[in-house]
Amino acid sequence: NAGVTQTPKFQVLKTGQSMTLQCAQDMNHEYMSWYRQDPGMGLRLIHYSVGAGITDQGEVPNGYNVSRSTTEDFPLRLLSAAPSQTSVYFCASSYSVGIISYEQYFGPGTRLTVT
Amino acid sequence: SQQGEEDPQALSIQEGENATMNCSYKTSINNLQWYRQNSGRGLVHLILIRSNEREKHSGRLRVTLDTSKKSSSLLITASRAADTASYFCATVSTDSWGKFQFGAGTQVVVTP
Repeated sequence: NAGVTQTPKFQVLKTGQSMTLQCAQDMNHEYMSWYRQDPGMGLRLIHYSVGAGITDQGEVPNGYNVSRSTTEDFPLRLLSAAPSQTSVYFCASSYSVGIISYEQYFGPGTRLTVT
Repeated sequence: SQQGEEDPQALSIQEGENATMNCSYKTSINNLQWYRQNSGRGLVHLILIRSNEREKHSGRLRVTLDTSKKSSSLLITASRAADTASYFCATVSTDSWGKFQFGAGTQVVVTP
């Protein structure tokens, strides 16, 4: 299994540009999440999904969109990049037993710089 | 605001010593998890403790959970230089079952 994969690994954007960060998992996990991590800080939840077709906002959703058309893929779209979105972005997936989610598996991250 | 708050923010110890870090949270939880992050890498799951458990062991790791105080601790025994990393607690609330909330983390440095 590849686990959780993210592309690209690095990206530089100009203010106002849009882009999509890709995330895929091959573990058939129902739950997937996007986080951002700023230097020296913990993870802040952007959006999450509890299954195909179901998404919800986290702590810091503004400026980001998500969709979940399949179990495997959970792309994160930056609508109009701003310097405040410079961060490391992590995608994660987790399995559930009933409705309760268990350990998360993380991708390697995407380092995004917005100039 | 963050659900989990780790304490201390940073910890520096020598190889062979024990490292203890604490996590407090605010809501009722289904389970609490601890993760490790090496510099520049993604997070790796270490251990999960369910809300009806009080203590759990995994190798050199010992986790306790006190739901009455809404707190957890992670003990790493006989630490090694390879344990140098940031450690995060994460909670899954009873009313947000797909949503993980992470604390700010404890940065641990183990010197040989």
